[in-house]
Amino acid sequence: QKEVEQNSGPLSVPEGAIASLNCTYSDRVSQSFFWYRQYSGKSPELIMSIYSNGDKEDGRFTAQLNKASQYVSLLIRDSQPSDSATYLCAVKTGNTPLVFGKGTRLSVIA
Amino acid sequence: EPEVTQTPSHQVTQMGQEVILRCVPISNHLYFYWYRQILGQKVEFLVSFYNNEISEKSEIFDDQFSVERPDGSNFTLKIRSTKLEDSAMYFCASRDTDRGAFFGQGTRLTVV
Repeated sequence: QKEVEQNSGPLSVPEGAIASLNCTYSDRVSQSFFWYRQYSGKSPELIMSIYSNGDKEDGRFTAQLNKASQYVSLLIRDSQPSDSATYLCAVKTGNTPLVFGKGTRLSVIA
Repeated sequence: EPEVTQTPSHQVTQMGQEVILRCVPISNHLYFYWYRQILGQKVEFLVSFYNNEISEKSEIFDDQFSVERPDGSNFTLKIRSTKLEDSAMYFCASRDTDRGAFFGQGTRLTVV
């Protein structure tokens, strides 16, 4: 059974701070890793993908991957109240479907 | 920007009735998915579809469920004899190659 684990939160950070969201996965052969943002009542929105060890930056977002530790993280710099949402970690191998974690609820306080 | 489109946005049905949820994936995508999310729970995989056939399905996707791609654009999920526990958000998603999947806005199914 492939599992993706996330702390459900809520994670509260002040506006302008760095939010750090973490995810671990059980399937050692997982190859592709994604972060989705989901606002309440809305669908998941793809914000980052990462496929190799290290960091990948896109604007205020940085995804970090450590396959040896089976660990993925998402950093959000200069957090804004509009970043308040649930962040879903998703993992897949080859053409298998995405497996999602339960998500971490982020609250950015103005 | 191309997007996945789902209809209806909200469907209320009586227990035991059949419902069809419709999706128009992004046009050049090859892989199609249905996921569901029960309120307050995680996004769960139901079925994937590639090359006009089911490529993988979860334990949830039993004989009550079926999928079709009746023409070159639409992708449907049929739920026969709905149960109260089928109430959830149903998301269609599509992707090309190895990219992450893009989700439609969802259909909220309420079984009463």
